[in-house]
Amino acid sequence: AQKITQTQPGMFVQEKEAVTLDCTYDTSDPSYGLFWYKQPSSGEMIFLIYQGSYDQQNATEGRYSLNFQKARKSANLVISASQLGDSAMYFCAMREGLRGLTGGGNKLTFGTGTQLKVEL
Amino acid sequence: NAGVTQTPKFQVLKTGQSMTLQCAQDMNHNSMYWYRQDPGMGLRLIYYSASEGTTDKGEVPNGYNVSRLNKREFSLRLESAAPSQTSVYFCASSEARSTEAFFGQGTRLTVV
Repeated sequence: AQKITQTQPGMFVQEKEAVTLDCTYDTSDPSYGLFWYKQPSSGEMIFLIYQGSYDQQNATEGRYSLNFQKARKSANLVISASQLGDSAMYFCAMREGLRGLTGGGNKLTFGTGTQLKVEL
Repeated sequence: NAGVTQTPKFQVLKTGQSMTLQCAQDMNHNSMYWYRQDPGMGLRLIYYSASEGTTDKGEVPNGYNVSRLNKREFSLRLESAAPSQTSVYFCASSEARSTEAFFGQGTRLTVV
C-alpha cells in the first residue's frame, strides 16, 4: 500500500491566487512527521515546511501553510499568492519510526509529486 | 557549509559494469538515505541507515547494496548495472527529530 498519496499529477494556478496541493498518508506509527519539498526544473530538493504528528497547530512558513487533518490522514500544502517562481514539482513526504534509532527507525518516504504551473 | 555531497554528478555505465555512488554529510546526522527518481514515480527509497552500523531496505533495493562506512558516509553500489537502473539518484540525511531532511545535488546515471 502507498504510504504517501498525491492524487494530482499536475495543477495550474493563476498568479497571485492560492493553490492547495493534496497529500494523504498511511501509517500506524503514532509518532511521525510530514514534509513538503519543492523541486524546480534545476533538480535540487528545497525544503518548504514540516508538521509533527503531535503538533497542535498547523505549520506555516511565509506563503506556505500545511493544512493538517490528522483524523483524515491528510497534510495538504497551501501556497498563497502564487508567483511564477512557484512553478515546480512538489513532493509530500513522511517520516516514521521515530521511536528508537535502530531497527528501521526514521524511515522517510515520498509521494509521486504534483507538477504545479503558475500562469500569468 | 557543504551539507550533503554526492559524487559523481553524472555517470554513464555500460550494462554489467559496477560502480559506487558516494555520499557524505557534515552535519553529524544519524540517518542517511538513498533514493532514485524516475519520471512519474517520485522519489523511491532504495536503502536507508537510521544510524551508524545499521542499514535497512526501502521500496526498491534489488540490484543495489549499501555501506554505512562511518557516521559521515553512506555509499550505494551497483554490482552489475542494468538499463533499468538509469535514473537520478539522491542521497539525503536527517536527524530523527529534526524538521528537515537535507539532500545532495543528485547523480544522473545512465546505463547503456
